[in-house]
Amino acid sequence: KAGVTQTPRYLIKTRGQQVTLSCSPISGHRSVSWYQQTPGQGLQFLFEYFSETQRNKGNFPGRFSGRQFSNSRSEMNVSTLELGDSALYLCASSQDRAGPVGTEAFFGQGTRLTVV
Amino acid sequence: DQQVKQNSPSLSVQEGRISILNCDYTNSMFDYFLWYKKYPAEGPTFLISISSIKDKNEDGRFTVFLNKSAKHLSLHIVPSQPGDSAVYFCAASVPQAAGNKLTFGGGTRVLVKP
Repeated sequence: KAGVTQTPRYLIKTRGQQVTLSCSPISGHRSVSWYQQTPGQGLQFLFEYFSETQRNKGNFPGRFSGRQFSNSRSEMNVSTLELGDSALYLCASSQDRAGPVGTEAFFGQGTRLTVV
Repeated sequence: DQQVKQNSPSLSVQEGRISILNCDYTNSMFDYFLWYKKYPAEGPTFLISISSIKDKNEDGRFTVFLNKSAKHLSLHIVPSQPGDSAVYFCAASVPQAAGNKLTFGGGTRVLVKP
């Protein structure tokens, strides 16, 4: 079973540009979440998509957006890039919770975004 | 407001000995807890999880303990191996209605010395 695939692995962009990152979840997983990892802030939740709908949103500005397609693949977009957006962006896929027991999130290798 | 905290930023242990990683949380709504291992420039790898209806879960060398009254969980790795050297994150989630959002602690860097 293929894991979570994120593309591209590395990206260098200039301030003010916009960027789109892609994530293909594990087959059968309908929940896709995005996280930002920076040295100072750790792993921060951006948003979650389930069945093409945003189900949860973290505390990030509106420059960060995402979407999910009918095949559960997801993209996240960052517009008007700032230097502080340099980070490792991680995508995680999950099955949906069933009852009282939670479910694991499986992460991709991430996209390292550098804004110069 | 940091709802999940790992108060030890680093831990050094001798190969073969036990590694104990700790995690505290403040949100009493959390009902599912996970531990992840992460190498630099890679995504976190799921290690083990525990539901709030249990107080212990074991998988091979990894055991997670949950103390709900103290809002504390710990991960025991026995015996520790050099390949265990990585950053370990604990994470927590709330019940189904809130989806699959995970709240992570700040991580503990583990170094296992041969």
